Amino acid sequence: QKEVEQNSGPLSVPEGAIASLNCTYSDRGSQSFFWYRQYSGKSPELIMFIYSNGDKEDGRFTAQLNKASQYVSLLIRDSQPSDSATYLCAVTAYSSASKIIFGSGTRLSIRP
Amino acid sequence: DADVTQTPRNRITKTGKRIMLECSQTKGHDRMYWYRQDPGLGLRLIYYSFDVKDINKGEISDGYSVSRQAQAKFSLSLESAIPNQTALYFCATSDSADLANSYEQYFGPGTRLTVT
Repeated sequence: QKEVEQNSGPLSVPEGAIASLNCTYSDRGSQSFFWYRQYSGKSPELIMFIYSNGDKEDGRFTAQLNKASQYVSLLIRDSQPSDSATYLCAVTAYSSASKIIFGSGTRLSIRP
Repeated sequence: DADVTQTPRNRITKTGKRIMLECSQTKGHDRMYWYRQDPGLGLRLIYYSFDVKDINKGEISDGYSVSRQAQAKFSLSLESAIPNQTALYFCATSDSADLANSYEQYFGPGTRLTVT
């Protein structure tokens, strides 16, 4: 079992709709959870992090965390073509808060 | 100027050659990381360093070595390159004092390495 699992996609969403990206993790001791966006050929950039159960909103992005179910998700409202990218879920390792384990990413495509 | 730089950006080398990838940062961060990215496998941690005297193996350190020459510099070496080390390599940094952002990692632009 991978430590951080994501559906590889591609996930195709019409422009203006809500895109929902999901991630599960295996380490119950993980404390912090991240969503990185990576455009093709570019480096990852952090768009959201969350460490408490519940929802965290930032503009069009909402991160949701459920530690009991070991599940974290990212919602993108009013999806734009510029949101087309690969989204990487990442979690901190229990053994070291500065060691981050990445999922393999979900490729999101927003169709006009 | 970019906060995290990597050199070279692209490199093609032959099997058995020694190659060094370099990473420099101007962010003043104490923690530095090397990852490789392969299609469908996401980012995998090779080595990480919490300060100049503290270097740790990641999940895929075999075939690699690192050197933390200074707080701002972290180099990755492939002593004898093999074709399955063909990948995109990223350097990243984080700040141990950055509790508010849960140790956000900042990535360099990447080095595309091809071993023939």
